[in-house]
Amino acid sequence: KAGVTQTPRYLIKTRGQQVTLSCSPISGHRSVSWYQQTPGQGLQFLFEYFSETQRNKGNFPGRFSGRQFSNSRSEMNVSTLELGDSALYLCASSSGRDRVPTEAFFGQGTRLTVV
Amino acid sequence: GDSVTQMEGPVTLSEEAFLTINCTYTATGYPSLFWYVQYPGEGLQLLLKATKADDKGSNKGFEATYRKETTSFHLEKGSVQVSDSAVYFCALSGLDRGSTLGRLYFGRGTQLTVWP
Repeated sequence: KAGVTQTPRYLIKTRGQQVTLSCSPISGHRSVSWYQQTPGQGLQFLFEYFSETQRNKGNFPGRFSGRQFSNSRSEMNVSTLELGDSALYLCASSSGRDRVPTEAFFGQGTRLTVV
Repeated sequence: GDSVTQMEGPVTLSEEAFLTINCTYTATGYPSLFWYVQYPGEGLQLLLKATKADDKGSNKGFEATYRKETTSFHLEKGSVQVSDSAVYFCALSGLDRGSTLGRLYFGRGTQLTVWP
């Protein structure tokens, strides 16, 4: 069974640009969550999608957005990039059964560097 | 709100030494608790989990017991190896308002270095 796949693995962008990151969850998983990891702030929750609907959102500005497709693949977009957006972005998939906390499986992440 | 506090380290040990990484949590309801490990340049890997009080999660020689009375989930290993060198994260998954599923609250991580 394939794991969580994130593309691309590395990305370098210039301030002011926008970027789109992709995540393919484990087959059969319907929940996809996104996290930002930085040395200063640690792991911070961005948002979670389940069956194409955003079900939960962390405390990030509106420049951070996401979506989920009918095949459960998810994308996140960051517009007007700032230097502080440089981070490892991690995607996690879980089965997403309602009201049951389930374990999450993480991809290897996308390392975004903003210059 | 829900949160996790873990010792930040770094922790440096000799091979075959005993490891403890402390983790305490604050949560409403009955969270599930996890330990994740992150090797350099990689994402997070689930190490072990416990879903209710007094459960013991174990994997690869690591153990942690879900203690509701002390709100703790300390990670232990009797004899560490050089290959255990990594960052370890304690996390909880609780019942958020209107959604649960994959949202995790993480501690800040503990860097473990094991010397031969």
